[in-house]
Amino acid sequence: DAGVIQSPRHEVTEMGQEVTLRCKPISGHNSLFWYRQTMMRGLELLIYFNNNVPIDDSGMPEDRFSAKMPNASFSTLKIQPSEPRDSAVYFCASSSLDTEQFFGPGTRLTVL
Amino acid sequence: AQSVSQHNHHVILSEAASLELGCNYSYGGTVNLFWYVQYPGQHLQLLLKYFSGDPLVKGIKGFEAEFIKSKFSFNLRKPSVQWSDTAEYFCAVSDLNAGNNRKLIWGLGTSLAVNP
Repeated sequence: DAGVIQSPRHEVTEMGQEVTLRCKPISGHNSLFWYRQTMMRGLELLIYFNNNVPIDDSGMPEDRFSAKMPNASFSTLKIQPSEPRDSAVYFCASSSLDTEQFFGPGTRLTVL
Repeated sequence: AQSVSQHNHHVILSEAASLELGCNYSYGGTVNLFWYVQYPGQHLQLLLKYFSGDPLVKGIKGFEAEFIKSKFSFNLRKPSVQWSDTAEYFCAVSDLNAGNNRKLIWGLGTSLAVNP
C-alpha cells in the first residue's frame, strides 16, 4: 500500500492567493483527518470526516478555510485568501474503525 | 474538557540512558491509547498502541508503554536510548464513548534529544 498521499509536498504562495491541498487516504479507510502543525501551536486537528461526511470541524480556524471529501479516495483543504499566519505543515491522516491513524508526508505551506 | 497531559516538554539524555515519558488523560471511560513519534522533518509514525488486553504494550524500536487505568496513565519507556531516538513524541487518546466521533485528543508533545 502506498500509504496516505498528499500533494503538493511544498507550496510557496503570496498572501491573498488561494491554496488547495490534496489528500488521498489509504484504500479501505473510512475516516480522514486534516491537521496543522506549527512551532507555536503544535499539532491541531482542523477537521475530521467519517464516510465522507464532516463530523467535527471545530478546529477550522475561520471561514477562509474549507474542506471537502467528494468521495472515499480524495479530500481537499482550501485556504482562500491565504495569509502569512497560515504558514505551517498540513498533515492528512486516515484510519478505519479499529486502527490507528496513518499520516501522510505533509504539505509545507509558506505564505509570503 | 477532555485532555491529554505530557509532563515533560523537553528531555535531554545521553546514549544508553533509560527513558520514561509521562502521559495522563482525563477520561473516565474506555479509551484507546497511542504513542506517535515524529523524527526531524518527517511525519508522525505510530510507535505503539493499546486497545485492550495486556496493559504492557511492546512497540517498535524497543519502546514499550504501560496502561495503568487507575492512574489514567500511559507512560512510554525505553531501557536504553540511542542517538537515533532524537525526535518529538506524542501521546494521544481516543474516547470510545464518544459515539461517531473518533478523533484523537493529543498531548502537546515531548521533544527528546539524545546526545551521542
